[in-house]
Amino acid sequence: EMQLVQSGAEVKKPGESLRISCKGSGYSFTTYWISWVRQMPGKGLELMGRIDPSDSYTNYSPSFQGHVTISADKSISTAYLQWSSLKASDTAMYYCARLGGGGYSARMDVWGQGTTVTVSS
Amino acid sequence: QSVLTQPPSASGTPGQRVTISCSGSSSNIGSNTVNWFQQLPGTAPKLLIYSNTQRPSGVPDRFSGSKSGTSASLAISGLQSEDEADYYCAAWDGSLIGPVFGGGTKLTVL
Repeated sequence: EMQLVQSGAEVKKPGESLRISCKGSGYSFTTYWISWVRQMPGKGLELMGRIDPSDSYTNYSPSFQGHVTISADKSISTAYLQWSSLKASDTAMYYCARLGGGGYSARMDVWGQGTTVTVSS
Repeated sequence: QSVLTQPPSASGTPGQRVTISCSGSSSNIGSNTVNWFQQLPGTAPKLLIYSNTQRPSGVPDRFSGSKSGTSASLAISGLQSEDEADYYCAAWDGSLIGPVFGGGTKLTVL
């Protein structure tokens, strides 16, 4: 079964750093790009960026460029989303999703279960 | 402000047919295929329709998609209570060089 399994919920203070993970299984991890999607409380889906796990080429949406870092370790089939200094406004649910139609598509065909990040003093 | 425009809400009674629209531009829907996602309350989104009209394995044929020009639609026939969810459209945008989402439509089954 193809699946993406994300790391557990996080509660952090403003200014702290954080890295959350997304582990793929049941398919060739390096064949498909991985995207990260933010969903703020009660709001819609926002594409943060995407990564090609085969070579770690990364592309960010303008709103997120410089605020987060997306990376991957193909040896353990895992993608990451990282913050160096969290803000309260980073409080959200974060999903990883496989781009089944290739790196230049919006066909997110396998989704992780989501990681809740809460940033509060 | 989302790049793709969806109505914020839609509703119907059991058994009815409802449609949800998604409007874009020449850089996204006009030149690329459209995907639809269903997000049931408290769960992760799920791919419902891809490449404008295709259903992944396991998606009932009550769900169908269409596209014309810079707009697309999701139709749900034989509406059921379990269809109550948020629905999102998405497409590749050649100007932004990335996938873009609609703002989502909350479907209520009355």
